[in-house]
Amino acid sequence: DILMTQFPSSVSASVGDRVVITCRASRDLSRWLAWYQQKPGTAPKLLIYAASTLQSGVPSRFSGSGSGTHFTLTISSLQPEDFATYYCQQGQTFPLTFGGGTKVEI
Amino acid sequence: QVQLQESGPGLVKPSETLSLTCTVAGGSIRSRYWSWLRQSPGGGLEWIGYIYDSGTTNYNPSLKGRVTISLDPSRSQFSLGLTSLTAADTAVYYCARYWREGGTYCFDYWGLGTRVTVSS
Repeated sequence: DILMTQFPSSVSASVGDRVVITCRASRDLSRWLAWYQQKPGTAPKLLIYAASTLQSGVPSRFSGSGSGTHFTLTISSLQPEDFATYYCQQGQTFPLTFGGGTKVEI
Repeated sequence: QVQLQESGPGLVKPSETLSLTCTVAGGSIRSRYWSWLRQSPGGGLEWIGYIYDSGTTNYNPSLKGRVTISLDPSRSQFSLGLTSLTAADTAVYYCARYWREGGTYCFDYWGLGTRVTVSS
C-alpha cells in the first residue's frame, strides 16, 4: 500500500495567517493527489484534485501544488470557517489511501 | 446536486454481519463508481471498496475477503456487507461517489455518515 504522511499533525494559526500543509507519498503518485477538509461531525469535503485543481465552489484562498511524492496545500489567508482537519488522499494505486490528517486550530 | 444517505443499524454484535445501504438522489446511479469508506474513532480514513454500474467491484485487501458491495439501480441504492465483525470495525461509515473521469481519482460527493458500534 502507498503510505501517505502528512505534517504537521496540527498547527495553531490565526485569522489572516498563511498555512501550508505537506503530504508525502511512499511512491510516485504523478499528480493523482486530492485534498479534503473535514469539520467535526461532518463528512470530508473535496477541496482539490489532481494535485492543484480547485473543486467547483471552493474559495481561491485554497491552492495545491506538487507532483511525484511531495505535495502541499496552502491556505493563503486563513478564515474562521477554515478551522478544520485536512486530509490528503492518493489516487494512483489501489487500495486508495489517506494521510493521517492535519488539524488547523486557533 | 447529488446527495447520498446511509442507512443501517448503529449497533451490531461481534462476529455478526453489518449491512448498510446508501441511497443516491439528484443524479443517476448508472455509469458511475460508488464507494464505501470508514473513519475510525481515532480519525483515520479507510477506503473499503467500490462498485461500478456493470457490477465490477474492487475491495481493500486489508478487509481480507469480508466485504461485499452490491448495486440496485432500480432503487438507486448500493449496499455494503461486512462479515465477522470485531471491535476494530467500530467506525463512522460513509458512502461516496468515486470520481474517476479525466484523471480525478477522488471522492466528490459524500453521505452524512452513519456511526456503527460493534459491541455485545
